[in-house]
Amino acid sequence: SQQGEEDPQALSIQEGENATMNCSYKTSINNLQWYRQNSGRGLVHLILIRSNEREKHSGRLRVTLDTSKKSSSLLITASRAADTASYFCAYSNSGYALNFGKGTSLLVTP
Amino acid sequence: GAVVSQHPSRVICKSGTSVKIECRSLDFQATTMFWYRQFPKQSLMLMATSNEGSKATYEQGVEKDKFLINHASLTLSTLTVTSAHPEDSSFYICSASSGGAGDNEQFFGPGTRLTVL
Repeated sequence: SQQGEEDPQALSIQEGENATMNCSYKTSINNLQWYRQNSGRGLVHLILIRSNEREKHSGRLRVTLDTSKKSSSLLITASRAADTASYFCAYSNSGYALNFGKGTSLLVTP
Repeated sequence: GAVVSQHPSRVICKSGTSVKIECRSLDFQATTMFWYRQFPKQSLMLMATSNEGSKATYEQGVEKDKFLINHASLTLSTLTVTSAHPEDSSFYICSASSGGAGDNEQFFGPGTRLTVL
């Protein structure tokens, strides 16, 4: 299976704290993407980082990529209750098909 | 921009019936569409990739006669679950890509929850 691994599987924090999620993958990649999914809903694209990039920012999101370790991390700063969702990394090594990680379930309590 | 819709959002059917799910790209032409299945509290698993005007490519373990995919136009792909059984109950999500060189960003539909009784 080319499915990526994410940790932690579940994360519970309080509003204002930072949340860090990690993703590891097994193959070479063109890019890696992070998605968010609210319970029972579709996916929302958060950020894409290319294989030749090491770090990328978008608002309160910071993504890093270490291709030598085949890993990526997503940091959400100053978390809010509305950030409660599942977060998935996804990557492709050829073509357009995405391989999704197992996801991290984030709970942000007020 | 880049909106993908799915219809229906939720369907309940009896075992043995067939169910068709539509995936539409509303404001762009999707040369490639993807169908994923997601079981509760699990990740998305790619079922098949479809390119407009050609046969879909199915992932290993996905029965092509069970899950019929048609991508007849650049804005519409359909997934038909034939002779559905309770084990087919799942959340089905499509995504669409406009293709081209470079980044392969996919735009996801809101999903269809299928319950087979």
